[in-house]
Amino acid sequence: QVKLVQSGIEVKEPGASVKISCKASGYTFISYDMHWLRQAPGQTLEWMGRIKVGSGITKYSQQIQERFSITSDTSATTVYMELSSLRSEDTAVYYCARISADSNGYWGHWGQGTLVTVSS
Amino acid sequence: EIEFTQSPATLSLSPGERATLSCRASQSIGRYLGWYQQKPGQAPRLLIYDASNRATGTPARFSGSGSGTDFTLTISSLEPEDFAVYYCQQRSNWGPFGQGTKLEIK
Repeated sequence: QVKLVQSGIEVKEPGASVKISCKASGYTFISYDMHWLRQAPGQTLEWMGRIKVGSGITKYSQQIQERFSITSDTSATTVYMELSSLRSEDTAVYYCARISADSNGYWGHWGQGTLVTVSS
Repeated sequence: EIEFTQSPATLSLSPGERATLSCRASQSIGRYLGWYQQKPGQAPRLLIYDASNRATGTPARFSGSGSGTDFTLTISSLEPEDFAVYYCQQRSNWGPFGQGTKLEIK
C-alpha cells in the first residue's frame, strides 16, 4: 500500500533553515507528483508547492517561493523540502501528500506530518 | 483567488444525531470540491471528492452534495469516531482549504 513516511520533529532558531524528508513506498515513485502543505497551530491547511518527481519540475506558492525549495531523489524514492530564513510564523506541521489514483486529483495519501518549531 | 466559508465554525452534537456541515465558495467551482476529516495529531483524511463521491474506505453514513458555490457534508448518524475537524477544499494543484468546522461532542 502507499506509504509516505516523514522525518522527525525539528526545532530551529529564527533565520535558520530546515530540511524535511518524505520517503515514499508502495507505488511507482516517478508516476505521481508530490506536494507539500503546512498547518500552523489551530489553522487550516496551506499548500506550499509540488514537484513532478519524474522531471524535477517544481511549482511553489507565491507567498514563500523565495525561501522554499523541493527536491527529489528517485533512487531513494524520497522527496525533500527546504525552508530557509525561518520566522516564528513558519512554526507549523508540514505534510507531504500525493493524490489518490481513484479520487480524481484529490490528496488521498499523506505523510504523518513533521512539526517544525521556530523559536529563539 | 477562490475563498471558502465553512459553517458553523463549531457544531456540538451527540452520538446518533445527524450532522450537516456547510461550505460556500466565493465563486462557482462546479463540483470540484472535496471534504477532509482531521483528528488531533493526525494528517487529514480524504472523505468525499467531486462533491458527492465517497473516497475508498469512507463509511456510507458520510454523504456530500452540492455544486457551484454551495456544498454540504452530511453525517447521517454520528459515531464517536466522527468527532473531528472537517475541511472543504477545491480540487486544484494548490487547494485552497476552508477554515474548518469542528464537530464536538455535546
